[in-house]
Amino acid sequence: DVKVTQSSRYLVKRTGEKVFLECVQDMDHENMFWYRQDPGLGLRLIYFSYDVKMKEKGDIPEGYSVSREKKERFSLILESASTNQTSMYLCASSLGGQGGYTFGSGTRLTVV
Amino acid sequence: ILNVEQSPQSLHVQEGDSTNFTCSFPSSNFYALHWYRWETAKSPEALFVMTLNGDEKKKGRISATLNTKEGYSYLYIKGSQPEDSATYLCAFWMDSSYKLIFGSGTRLLVRP
Repeated sequence: DVKVTQSSRYLVKRTGEKVFLECVQDMDHENMFWYRQDPGLGLRLIYFSYDVKMKEKGDIPEGYSVSREKKERFSLILESASTNQTSMYLCASSLGGQGGYTFGSGTRLTVV
Repeated sequence: ILNVEQSPQSLHVQEGDSTNFTCSFPSSNFYALHWYRWETAKSPEALFVMTLNGDEKKKGRISATLNTKEGYSYLYIKGSQPEDSATYLCAFWMDSSYKLIFGSGTRLLVRP
């Protein structure tokens, strides 16, 4: 069964902490994405990567960075967590535009 | 700014009712239109990927149509069941892009 696995389902972090959210896919997909989902705002793209070591800013990259050292792993980094980064974070991967995304189960991050 | 609009935002129906929702997207530079179902506490799951004007796709009691010239897609559910309760997301993939732009979803609740 093909999968996108996010390392944590729930996380609670303190303001100012550096936070790592990990995502691993086993489908050999080139493209990987990080979204956040907030009530009434839908899914908003933070960063994406279309190849190893390549990254592109999405719509809301401020306060985040990413790392893609291996094809199967795409990490989202909150350099200094703030309360407005409390959200549901979803990772996804895809083979291309005409293939559907496969999503991870999400990480609900609370910053206190 | 590219907008993907979904309506209605939420919908409550009785078991057995048929229902439909709308997704509006830019009619220029079209590449693909995706539909996803997102059940509570689960990952969004791809329902359909549609690429051609006039496309119709079907999966059990759920079907979708696509009009790329006027920029809309309809999702239909025939004889709704409680297990159809979920948020239904559509997403637009623009030509020469690496990413999907999501609508904010239609939240469907089917009462037994």
